Amino acid sequence: RKEVEQDPGPFNVPEGATVAFNCTYSNSASQSFFWYRQDCRKEPKLLMSVYSSGNEDGRFTAQLNRASQYISLLIRDSKLSDSATYLCVGDNAGNNRKLIWGLGTSLAVNP
Amino acid sequence: DVKVTQSSRYLVKRTGEKVFLECVQDMDHENMFWYRQDPGLGLRLIYFSYDVKMKEKGDIPEGYSVSREKKERFSLILESASTNQTSMYLCVTGPRGRSIRPRENIQYFGAGTRLSVL
Repeated sequence: RKEVEQDPGPFNVPEGATVAFNCTYSNSASQSFFWYRQDCRKEPKLLMSVYSSGNEDGRFTAQLNRASQYISLLIRDSKLSDSATYLCVGDNAGNNRKLIWGLGTSLAVNP
Repeated sequence: DVKVTQSSRYLVKRTGEKVFLECVQDMDHENMFWYRQDPGLGLRLIYFSYDVKMKEKGDIPEGYSVSREKKERFSLILESASTNQTSMYLCVTGPRGRSIRPRENIQYFGAGTRLSVL
C-alpha cells in the first residue's frame, strides 16, 4: 500500500462546478499535510497547508480527518485556470520530516 | 520570496557522460532534496541532505551521487548517464521540520531540469 494515495483521475468538470479530491495516508504519526498544484511541465507549487480544524482560502477548502487518515480538497466555482494536477503530501513523522508525495490527481475544467 | 535556483532548465547529454545538476537556495534551509518525476510514477526521492556534508539515500539512489559542501548548495551527479535517467529533476528545500505547525514545514521547489540522455 502506498503511503499517500490519491485517485489519479482525470476529473473532467464544467466551469462553475464544485469538485472534491480525497487523499489517504498510512502513517498515523504524520503531522504536516499540504496540497500542491502542478501545471503541465512546471514544478509543483504550494496551494495550501492543511490544518486539523480545516482551512479555507477563497474557493479552496482543505480538511484533515485524523481518525480516518484522509485529507480532502474542495474547489468551489471551478475556473478554467484550475486545470492542473493536485498533489497531496504528508510528512514521514521522522526527525527530518521528509515529505511523502501522492501521485497526483488530474483536473480538467472545461468551458 | 523564496528562491531555489537550478542551474539548467534543459540539458541534453550523451550516454556515459558525467552530468552535474546544481541547486542553490537562499532560505538558509537545512534540508535539501533531489527528486525525479516521470509520468505515472510521480515524485521519487533520489537523495536528500539535512546538513552540510550529510546525505542520505532516498528511494532510487542507484546511478546517482550527491554533494553538499555548503549549506545553500546541493549537487546531483550522474556518474555515467544512461537513457533511463532521462527525466525531470526537481530540487526541493525545506526547514528541518520539527515544528508541529504545517506552515513552518513547507518545502519549496526549483523550476526543474529536463534532462535528456541520448
